[in-house]
Amino acid sequence: DAGVTQSPTHLIKTRGQQVTLRCSPKSGHDTVSWYQQALGQGPQFIFQYYEEEERQRGNFPDRFSGHQFPNYSSELNVNALLLGDSALYLCASSLWDRYMYFGPGTRLTVT
Amino acid sequence: DAKTTQPPSMDCAEGRAANLPCNHSTISGNEYVYWYRQIHSQGPQYIIHGLKNNETNEMASLIITEDRKSSTLILPHATLRDTAVYYCIVRPTNRDDKIIFGKGTRLHILP
Repeated sequence: DAGVTQSPTHLIKTRGQQVTLRCSPKSGHDTVSWYQQALGQGPQFIFQYYEEEERQRGNFPDRFSGHQFPNYSSELNVNALLLGDSALYLCASSLWDRYMYFGPGTRLTVT
Repeated sequence: DAKTTQPPSMDCAEGRAANLPCNHSTISGNEYVYWYRQIHSQGPQYIIHGLKNNETNEMASLIITEDRKSSTLILPHATLRDTAVYYCIVRPTNRDDKIIFGKGTRLHILP
């Protein structure tokens, strides 16, 4: 079992561009959550998906959107990138009543 | 806001037990306490969780007070590889509730 996988591992974008990050959950998990982690801070909750719908959302603007596919994998899209969007983006998967497994993260740098 | 409070940092001598405290005074009766750790910007790693009783696994022990308002994570024989940020979180029982991370405790293991 590969656990939670995320791609890409690193990427660099320019202000104003759009980015898509991808996450494959651990086998058997149906829930995916996304977190943003700025340097020196704890992970900040962005949103959670299960049954292909956004179920909960943190305090993030509409520039942050997502999707969950029938195979439970998920994408995080960020439009109109700002310098402040530079962070480690973490994906976590779970069954709803079990503990979350985190992926290794995608390091996004906006220049 | 996070439902837990942790000291920002702690030191522990290598080979000694590391005791990391966490306050969760507003925890509800059926909410679990979870501990994760994050080593140098990797994805957070699950350590242990509990509801009321003390728990032990191969990584650590979790002591929860009788009133459930606080808990302590114990690493019995700390090694340099235990240097990490440790997060205590309260997991909601409602699937649609957010899992919120605080800033965690940065544990330094001293040689």
